[in-house]
Amino acid sequence: DSGVTQTPKHLITATGQRVTLRCSPRSGDLSVYWYQQSLDQGLQFLIQYYNGEERAKGNILERFSAQQFPDLHSELNLSSLELGDSALYFCASSVDHYLHEQFFGPGTRLTVL
Amino acid sequence: AQKITQTQPGMFVQEKEAVTLDCTYDTSDQSYGLFWYKQPSSGEMIFLIYQGSYDEQNATEGRYSLNFQKARKSANLVISASQLGDSAMYFCAMREGRSGGANSKLTFGKGITLSVRP
Repeated sequence: DSGVTQTPKHLITATGQRVTLRCSPRSGDLSVYWYQQSLDQGLQFLIQYYNGEERAKGNILERFSAQQFPDLHSELNLSSLELGDSALYFCASSVDHYLHEQFFGPGTRLTVL
Repeated sequence: AQKITQTQPGMFVQEKEAVTLDCTYDTSDQSYGLFWYKQPSSGEMIFLIYQGSYDEQNATEGRYSLNFQKARKSANLVISASQLGDSAMYFCAMREGRSGGANSKLTFGKGITLSVRP
């Protein structure tokens, strides 16, 4: 158990819908990272937050947005969902942005039908 | 160009033997970090080992060691005394740039599947 929690574990929804994925980092970790893992794209970095502020953006679609709240939990919002958004979404956390290990949550498996 | 290259096809190893999983990387930064993660069939990503670009000694964590050859830009993972539970996908990843800032993301390779035979 990495100490990073993600909910829900599985999510099945339809095209055009909007979903919210939630992540709670390890106690004491200020940085949260979101990654998407799909068969064709592999593991890709989406976005990073550090202590409530956006620090870095990767290949995140405009239909996707994220935020980190004062209690440091983070949410990833995916809207106007398409079939290709089906993937495993990971949240990871680290102590601060001076990175050594990033500890990953169990992931949320999103299926868009 | 790919920043992390893992080209081995599925790897097989006999239980209790050692196995090396290859990883090469590409960066122009002087400061970077290399990571290995394990992803079993259950899907979670498990951190295994870390090597910093300025670390003079190869990293070791229990049965895992990282064979870091900076000039060749390779960071191979060595698993000694393989166990059945080592069967999983293994990912090599890199963090580039100075510690912190916008370069804290990890860039992953495509992964290698390891199967341990009894």
